[in-house]
This record gives sequence, C-alpha cells and structure tokens, in this order.
Amino acid sequence: AQSVAQPEDQVNVAEGNPLTVKCTYSVSGNPYLFWYVQYPNRGLQFLLKYITGDNLVKGSYGFEAEFNKSQTSFHLKKPSALVSDSALYFCAVRDMKTGGFKTIFGAGTRLFVKA
Amino acid sequence: ETGVTQTPRHLVMGMTNKKSLKCEQHLGHNAMYWYKQSAKKPLELMFVYSLEERVENNSVPSRFSPECPNSSHLFLHLHTLQPEDSALYLCASSQEKGAYTQYFGPGTRLTVL
Repeated sequence: AQSVAQPEDQVNVAEGNPLTVKCTYSVSGNPYLFWYVQYPNRGLQFLLKYITGDNLVKGSYGFEAEFNKSQTSFHLKKPSALVSDSALYFCAVRDMKTGGFKTIFGAGTRLFVKA
Repeated sequence: ETGVTQTPRHLVMGMTNKKSLKCEQHLGHNAMYWYKQSAKKPLELMFVYSLEERVENNSVPSRFSPECPNSSHLFLHLHTLQPEDSALYLCASSQEKGAYTQYFGPGTRLTVL
C-alpha cells in the first residue's frame, strides 16, 4: 500500500538557520511526491513536486526538496529560515495504482521559526 | 488560493440540521475533491469527482452526500451529523488525475453541537 510518513510532529529552528522537514514514502512503481504548506485558517498551498528528472527540486518561497530513491525519502529544505515560514507542512504521494486521483498525505509537521 | 472558494467559512449546526457546503473553482479544472481535516490526523480524502462523475468514495458515511452539478461546482450536503464530524472541510481541484497539483480552498470550519 502507498504511504507517507512524517516522523516529526514539530520542528523548531532559529531564524536564519537551515531547516529540514523529513518525509519518507512507500509506493509501488514510480513515486509522484508533493509538499504542501498550510498557514493558519487557510487551505493547503502547493510548494513543489517531484515527478521525474533531477533529484533536487526547487519550489516556492525558497524551498527545495531532495528525492532519494535508495532511502525512499523526500525531505523539504530551506537554507535560511524565516519567521514567516512557521506553518504546517504536509508531504504527499499520488496513488497512481488506483487511477491516479487519490493523494495520500502525511500527518503533517508543524514548523516553528523563532526570531 | 482565490482560484478555489468555499462557503461558508464557518458553520455551526445541530445534529438534526441539514446544511450544505459549497465549493467553486475558477481554474478550468476537471477534477474536484472533498477532504476532511481533523486535529492531529492526516487529511482524509472523502470524495473525488472527475468531469462531474464520482470516481472515488472513500468509505464515507451516508450522512455526507456530495453533488457535482458541473465541473466548476461541488457541494457537500450534511444531514444528521455527529459531534465527531466537527472538522475543517477542504475542497480542492486539479487539472486531471495523476501528477497534477491540487489547488485547495480555504476550508469550512464545521462544528456539530
């Protein structure tokens, strides 16, 4: 079965420091992987996705993610965190085995960036 | 985010009430989705419509009834809900199935008394 795991409920980082939000996945076949962010009282916003090609994917707001097939990971990174990056981050995988409509989301990781 | 709108933003209802949530997308997408977001739980996919045809029903209780009259509008009709149905209900759309990005509305915060 397709699944996504975000092992950390919360990540704390100081402003200006690099941040990493972890995600591991389990899929059969090629993975279609996404990161979304949710700010308070808002819906989810797309950050970036990996479909194929370069393992380092660049996305919105200076975020990037590295696809690692051997470790089945897709960690979200940013070289220098901002207080405004504080939000809830979701890793997701598209389930292509059941027709491609179903997206499986992780439980989310809350990022706190302290000034 | 303005590409997908949801109304109302907040809803409080009793267990015997009937209400409806509305979602509208202005992106020309063909697929629309309902999700339930509860505290400390992963997003739960409820329903998926593609070209107005339901293609996914994720074992949702019958007290939730979706309706998709056209590719731009999606409704979730609510009837005799339970307090545990209180959650944030998110609507999303995508161009098609597969690798396409989903665009989410701001959600309806539902409280069932």
